[in-house]
Amino acid sequence: EVQLVESGGGLVQPGRSLRLSCTGSGFVFGDHSVSWVRQAPGKGLEWVGFIKSRPYGGTPEYAASVKGRLTISRDDSTSTAYLQVNSLKTEDTAVYYCARHTEKRFDYWGQGTLVTVSS
Amino acid sequence: EIVLTQSPGTLSLSPGERATLSCRASQSVSSSYLAWYQQKPGQAPRLLIYDASNRATGIPDRFSGSRSGTDFTLTISGLEPEDFAVYYCQQYGSSPLWTFGQGTKVEIK
Repeated sequence: EVQLVESGGGLVQPGRSLRLSCTGSGFVFGDHSVSWVRQAPGKGLEWVGFIKSRPYGGTPEYAASVKGRLTISRDDSTSTAYLQVNSLKTEDTAVYYCARHTEKRFDYWGQGTLVTVSS
Repeated sequence: EIVLTQSPGTLSLSPGERATLSCRASQSVSSSYLAWYQQKPGQAPRLLIYDASNRATGIPDRFSGSRSGTDFTLTISGLEPEDFAVYYCQQYGSSPLWTFGQGTKVEIK
């Protein structure tokens, strides 16, 4: 069974940093790109970035709205992708999901991890 | 940036009725890159339709997708109680690489 599990969310003060993890199981993690999508409370879905699978270079790309503050990385030996968010703002408060890619679609999602930015 | 506009914002229907959800793109979108997702409260989104009209694994055949120009449609042929949820369309394009529509809520009338 394909599973993705996010972790690392919590309450963090504005200006601080946070690193989220997304661990996959039930499939060959290294064969798939992984995206991060966030959802502010009561709002819609916002794609923030992804990291390509190793066969496609293993490099990240980011949405312009968050570029410069986000770093996405992966460790295929542990089937884990990471999202680091720096200089957190209150508007970064959201549930953060990771999602597996198959071609251009997001076919499996994690359950999400809540990040609350507040003093 | 391609903007996806979903309508209506809310659809109030009874179980057994047909639901028709619209997603209009601001410019041309390849059919290969249009997907639909369902999200229930407190849950992650679930892939329903990809490449505009292909059902994802395990999705019942009451869900179907179609395209006419820059207009994409998700149809639920007969609503089951578990279908009341929020539906998002998504496209892959240029910056940003993926965008979502704002969502359509299908609620029980």
